[in-house]
Amino acid sequence: AQSVTQPDIHITVSEGASLELRCNYSYGATPYLFWYVQSPGQGLQLLLKYFSGDTLVQGIKGFEAEFKRSQSSFNLRKPSVHWSDAAEYFCAVGATGRRALTFGSGTRLQVQP
Amino acid sequence: DTGVSQDPRHKITKRGQNVTFRCDPISEHNRLYWYRQTLGQGPEFLTYFQNEAQLEKSRLLSDRFSAERPKGSFSTLEIQRTEQGDSAMYLCASSLGGTDLNQPQHFGDGTRLSIL
Repeated sequence: AQSVTQPDIHITVSEGASLELRCNYSYGATPYLFWYVQSPGQGLQLLLKYFSGDTLVQGIKGFEAEFKRSQSSFNLRKPSVHWSDAAEYFCAVGATGRRALTFGSGTRLQVQP
Repeated sequence: DTGVSQDPRHKITKRGQNVTFRCDPISEHNRLYWYRQTLGQGPEFLTYFQNEAQLEKSRLLSDRFSAERPKGSFSTLEIQRTEQGDSAMYLCASSLGGTDLNQPQHFGDGTRLSIL
């Protein structure tokens, strides 16, 4: 069965600083990988996805993520964080033949002025 | 663009009562999913429909839980004899059909259930 680990429960960055959120997955084959963002009391919004091809994927709101098979990682990055990026970020993995996504436990991002 | 709609947004009930939640997916989406999210955790998969057929159920979906999607459009999730441990956010998502997961899931804002 697949699993996802987000090692950082909480991260604080200053506005304008760069950001990297870590995600490690466990899955035997090539995974489908996603990053979602959730604001308090809201549902999840898809930031970006990786299925195959170019390992650097671009998403909405200036986010990007890089798939590294050798490290089983799919880290999310943003060069300059805005105060509105404060939210909870979830990495998720999907497996071939299944419809369910497996989510990590999330990383809460706080942005300091 | 109408997204996934869930009703109610909040539900407070006493232990032992039955509750029902509704999800209206994006209109052209034939796949519908239910997830449960507890505080400090990511969503956990409960069940999945393709059109009106319930094709997959998690072991989390005990016999007190039942989900339906009678006409392949909206779906309901019912919890009977609620327990304290059922307190959570219940999220609905929908997607187009396609090969495996190449159609991403779009989530509603959820129904937050609180059991007194």
